[in-house]
Amino acid sequence: EAQVTQNPRYLITVTGKKLTVTCSQNMNHEYMSWYRQDPGLGLRQIYYSMNVEVTDKGDVPEGYKVSRKEKRNFPLILESPSPNQTSLYFCASSLGWQGNSPLHFGNGTRLTVT
Amino acid sequence: LAKTTQPISMDSYEGQEVNITCSHNNIATNDYITWYQQFPSQGPRFIIQGYKTKVTNEVASLFIPADRKSSTLSLPRVSLSDTAVYYCLVGARTGGFKTIFGAGTRLFVKA
Repeated sequence: EAQVTQNPRYLITVTGKKLTVTCSQNMNHEYMSWYRQDPGLGLRQIYYSMNVEVTDKGDVPEGYKVSRKEKRNFPLILESPSPNQTSLYFCASSLGWQGNSPLHFGNGTRLTVT
Repeated sequence: LAKTTQPISMDSYEGQEVNITCSHNNIATNDYITWYQQFPSQGPRFIIQGYKTKVTNEVASLFIPADRKSSTLSLPRVSLSDTAVYYCLVGARTGGFKTIFGAGTRLFVKA
């Protein structure tokens, strides 16, 4: 089944403890992206990647890192999480980076930083 | 990137047709219009995409006038399970290849 898989679904951590949220897609998509969703602020893009080893900042990249060493994986790294990074995170992918390539989303990761 | 404007919320009853309009006055020539549906705590799901005129699939129809400055998502005979947030995206992959979601339209379907 074609899908975008995120792990974990839920994560509770403490300030400053490094964490990684994994994202994997099995559709051979070129474009992958991370979003965070907060009440009243909608979906905001954190980072995106147009292909292996090609990444760029979205609108809210501060405090996050990403890597794209393989086409299927696009992990989101929080080196030193803070409470303001408590949010619902979504990974997405699309076949290409053109505007006519719909995004496929994962089921989300709910992160709580205390 | 083309900015989009949608109603914040809409109410409807089961069995009715729902039309949600999105304004995108500065849409570029090569921009596509894409609609997504999102249920609480789930990722957005692609519904329909179009460039001009009318597009129809098994879920919805998308009407795009000749000037392409707006588009209308039409959901035929909605049910309670269509209660969700609907997002209109335009020009998602120009410039820096960002994807920008607006606030969306919260549709509430009543029995």
